[in-house]
Amino acid sequence: DVQLVESGGGLVQPGGSLRLSCEASGINFRTSWMTWARQAPGKGLELVAIIKQDGSEKYYVDSVKGRFTVSRDNAKNSVYLQMNSLRVEDTAVYYCGRRAVVDQYPWGQGTLVTVSS
Amino acid sequence: DVVMTQSPLSLPVTLGQPASISCRSSQSLESRDGTTLLNWFQHRPGQSPRRLIYKVSNRDSGVPDRFSGSGSGTDFTLKISRVEAEDVGVYYCMQGAHWPDTFGQGTKLEIK
Repeated sequence: DVQLVESGGGLVQPGGSLRLSCEASGINFRTSWMTWARQAPGKGLELVAIIKQDGSEKYYVDSVKGRFTVSRDNAKNSVYLQMNSLRVEDTAVYYCGRRAVVDQYPWGQGTLVTVSS
Repeated sequence: DVVMTQSPLSLPVTLGQPASISCRSSQSLESRDGTTLLNWFQHRPGQSPRRLIYKVSNRDSGVPDRFSGSGSGTDFTLKISRVEAEDVGVYYCMQGAHWPDTFGQGTKLEIK
């Protein structure tokens, strides 16, 4: 069974930091591009970050560049999103997904990040 | 970045009736080898997103055959032949042809 499990969300004050984790099982993690997307309250899905299989290529949406860092540990089948200098507008449910063309494109159940004073 | 534009953004549908969602990309999504990387995702309330369609018209495993995708170049369509109650949610097109992948704004399907 394919499973992606996010963790690390919570309530944080503006300017604070959080590190999200996503552990994968049931997929060939080492050969998978991984993504982070988010859905803010009342808004649509937004791709936040993408990371290549070996971590050599990364993409960030403009609004998080310089504040968020995506990384992975293939030995642990895990991908991470380090979020610094958090803003109120970063409040969202964050999902990790396994990016694929033909193979399954599963997403995790999401983890809620709330940035508020 | 490639801009994906969906219409309509809100889609009230009577149970058992068909539904259609349009998606237009700001650049052609066809690659040199002829493949077109256009996906459709369903996002039901309280659930994870789920891919329904890949490469324009291929249904993912377990997706009911009432869902179908079509299109080429810059214009694409998701059709539901007969809407059921479980189809309520938001539908997104997403292109993977040009770095980075981009989603459309989403179309909210509701039952009339």
